[in-house]
Amino acid sequence: KAGVTQTPRYLIKTRGQQVTLSCSPISGHRSVSWYQQTPGQGLQFLFEYFSETQRNKGNFPGRFSGRQFSNSRSEMNVSTLELGDSALYLCASSADFYGYTFGSGTRLTVV
Amino acid sequence: AQTVTQSQPEMSVQEAETVTLSCTYDTSESDYYLFWYKQPPSRQMILVIRQEAYKQQNATENRFSVNFQKAAKSFSLKISDSQLGDAAMYFCSTPGYAGNMLTFGGGTRLMVKP
Repeated sequence: KAGVTQTPRYLIKTRGQQVTLSCSPISGHRSVSWYQQTPGQGLQFLFEYFSETQRNKGNFPGRFSGRQFSNSRSEMNVSTLELGDSALYLCASSADFYGYTFGSGTRLTVV
Repeated sequence: AQTVTQSQPEMSVQEAETVTLSCTYDTSESDYYLFWYKQPPSRQMILVIRQEAYKQQNATENRFSVNFQKAAKSFSLKISDSQLGDAAMYFCSTPGYAGNMLTFGGGTRLMVKP
């Protein structure tokens, strides 16, 4: 059974640019959630999608957005990048709240 | 909203010995799950063990076990016979009852000495 796939693994962007990260969940999992991990703030919830609908959103500015496609793959977008957006972005897929499987993350560096 | 607190930023254990990582949480839910995740340098979060709050019996997975004290809102992880491969960051977390957003503690870095 394939795991959660996140692409790309590494990304370097310039301030002011925008970026799109991708997450392919485990087959059959309809819930995809996104987390930002930084040394200062730890792991913070960004948003969660279920069957193409955003069910929950964390406390992040509107520059952070996401979507989910009919095949459950999800993308998150960050516009007008700031230095503080440099982080590891993790995606998790779940069939229910009994367990979450994470991808290896995308390391975003904003310069 | 839930909160999760891990009071030990770093812990060290000798190989083959036992170590306990602490976690306390706060939630208004009466039924919920609790998880311990391991994050090695490879970055991927790996589920170590889970506990269902309505079950009084403590969960066990091989060398990993928990001490779940619901009234005290405490959820500690015990690692027995520690191995070098256990060295990693460990995160305690809960999704609450809504189940679609995990709240994490700040993590504990575990070092294993040979």
